[in-house]
Amino acid sequence: AQSVTQPDIHITVSEGASLELRCNYSYGATPYLFWYVQSPGQGLQLLLKYFSGDTLVQGIKGFEAEFKRSQSSFNLRKPSVHWSDAAEYFCAVQNTGNQFYFGTGTSLTVIP
Amino acid sequence: DTGVSQNPRHKITKRGQNVTFRCDPISEHNRLYWYRQTLGQGPEFLTYFQNEAQLEKSRLLSDRFSAERPKGSFSTLEIQRTEQGDSAMYLCASSLARRTETNSPLHFGNGTRLTVT
Repeated sequence: AQSVTQPDIHITVSEGASLELRCNYSYGATPYLFWYVQSPGQGLQLLLKYFSGDTLVQGIKGFEAEFKRSQSSFNLRKPSVHWSDAAEYFCAVQNTGNQFYFGTGTSLTVIP
Repeated sequence: DTGVSQNPRHKITKRGQNVTFRCDPISEHNRLYWYRQTLGQGPEFLTYFQNEAQLEKSRLLSDRFSAERPKGSFSTLEIQRTEQGDSAMYLCASSLARRTETNSPLHFGNGTRLTVT
């Protein structure tokens, strides 16, 4: 069965510091992977996606993610965090049946 | 592209009442999904449509829940005889699936927050 694990429930970083949010997935075939961001009271906004090809994908707002098949991971990174990045981040996997499975999310706090 | 629109944004209802939510997807999108999200959790799949056909329903979706997409455009989600456990954010998302490209990201609306008292 497909599943997504985000091991970190909450992360706090200083503004300007680098960020890495972890995501591990369980899926038998080649996964389609996504990262979404959600601000309080809002829907989810797509940050980036991986379908195939280059394992390092670039997204909006300066985010990137690297697909590592050997580790079943798709970690999200940003070199320098801004206060406006504080939000909830969700990793998701899509299966061939057009179902999307989301992790439980990582809440990011940015301190000045 | 006006994005996915959901109405109402907030709904407070008493236990036992019926509620209906509406979702207007991005106009050219043929797939429409409903998710439920509770505090501290990721979205949980409820059901999805391809055009007007409801292709899959989650086991989470009890008989009190029904969704329609009559003309393949907007969709409604109705909850009958609401219970306090139905309190959650109900998210709608749409995507464009082409025959040659089945993988397509979801575009979410801002959700309808339901509170059952």
